[in-house]
Amino acid sequence: QKEVEQDPGPLSVPEGAIVSLNCTYSNSAFQYFMWYRQYSRKGPELLMYTYSSGNKEDGRFTAQVDKSSKYISLFIRDSQPSDSATYLCAMSAGSRNTPLVFGKGTRLSVIA
Amino acid sequence: DGGITQSPKYLFRKEGQNVTLSCEQNLNHDAMYWYRQDPGQGLRLIYYSQIVNDFQKGDIAEGYSVSREKKESFPLTVTSAQKNPTAFYLCASSTVRGVDSPLHFGNGTRLTVT
Repeated sequence: QKEVEQDPGPLSVPEGAIVSLNCTYSNSAFQYFMWYRQYSRKGPELLMYTYSSGNKEDGRFTAQVDKSSKYISLFIRDSQPSDSATYLCAMSAGSRNTPLVFGKGTRLSVIA
Repeated sequence: DGGITQSPKYLFRKEGQNVTLSCEQNLNHDAMYWYRQDPGQGLRLIYYSQIVNDFQKGDIAEGYSVSREKKESFPLTVTSAQKNPTAFYLCASSTVRGVDSPLHFGNGTRLTVT
């Protein structure tokens, strides 16, 4: 079993839809969870950063962490064509010498 | 504006040649990283450095080398020993020396070796 699993998509939705992106993981030591957005031919940019379980909201974006199920989600409300990108989840246990572990990314297209 | 600069954006080389990718940051970050991104593979860590004059191998270090002589700079050399060098290379940095901190990425260098 891979340490972090993420459905690569592609996922295509109409403008205005609610989008749900998800990752599952196997390492129960993970406690820091991040979502990055990557536009084509660009570097990833940090979108959301959460610690432990719970929800975090930032504008149209909500990140959820369920540590009991080892499952994290990113919700995008009122999706826009500008949200079309690849979304990568990343996580770590927080120990000093353990690099971030990335999912493979989900490619999202929002159709106008 | 603070950020990470990777140059060049596109790089073409012949097989058998070494090539060096540049990464400069003006964010005053201690830690710097190199990742390789291939379609369907996600991000794979090549090397990282938490302090000047020190660096550690990541998951796929074979065929690559790095140096960290200055805090701001972390160049990556792709050697002729790297069997599949064609890829998108991303440099990143983070504020603290621990590798679990959020990363700030450059916009990548697309290397094509023929």
